[in-house]
Amino acid sequence: EAQVTQNPRYLITVTGKKLTVTCSQNMNHEYMSWYRQDPGLGLRQIYYSMNVEVTDKGDVPEGYKVSRKEKRNFPLILESPSPNQTSLYFCASALAGKNTGELFFGEGSRLTVL
Amino acid sequence: AQSVTQPDIHITVSEGASLELRCNYSYGATPYLFWYVQSPGQGLQLLLKYFSGDTLVQGIKGFEAEFKRSQSSFNLRKPSVHWSDAAEYFCAVAENYGGSQGNLIFGKGTKLSVKP
Repeated sequence: EAQVTQNPRYLITVTGKKLTVTCSQNMNHEYMSWYRQDPGLGLRQIYYSMNVEVTDKGDVPEGYKVSRKEKRNFPLILESPSPNQTSLYFCASALAGKNTGELFFGEGSRLTVL
Repeated sequence: AQSVTQPDIHITVSEGASLELRCNYSYGATPYLFWYVQSPGQGLQLLLKYFSGDTLVQGIKGFEAEFKRSQSSFNLRKPSVHWSDAAEYFCAVAENYGGSQGNLIFGKGTKLSVKP
């Protein structure tokens, strides 16, 4: 089954404790992206990747890191989480190239930083 | 860089009434345009998309959207709303690199409530 898998789905952590949210897709998609969703602010892009070893900042990259060493994986790293990073995080992937377009989303990871 | 504006944060309509959700974009050329829906507690699902050609596009669940270049708009419509349409709706725009799609940016969303 074609899917985007995020882990963990739920996490409560404390300020400053490094954490990684994994994202994996099985559709051989070139494009992957991370978003955070907060009430009233919609979906804001954190980082995206057009292909392996190609990443770029979105609208709100501060406090986050990403890597794209393999096509299927795009982990989101919070080196020193802070309470303002409490949010619902979505990973998504898509085919790049002509007239493709549809983003496939993971189920979301709800992160609470105390 | 492209941007997307959804002017309405929250809309309430009666079941059976028609619906129009507004979306305006800013982009130098003709972008790729999308509408996604998010039901409570769920991820996002694609409703419809526009790349080129006919400016009126049909999507799933009886939704349609019309691309109006002169108004930089891509409004979503449904002739008769069902209670199950209550959800949050996101308009999105992607850069068009000569037919290849670039990065995708979302609007802030419009929450739809449906009255019985």
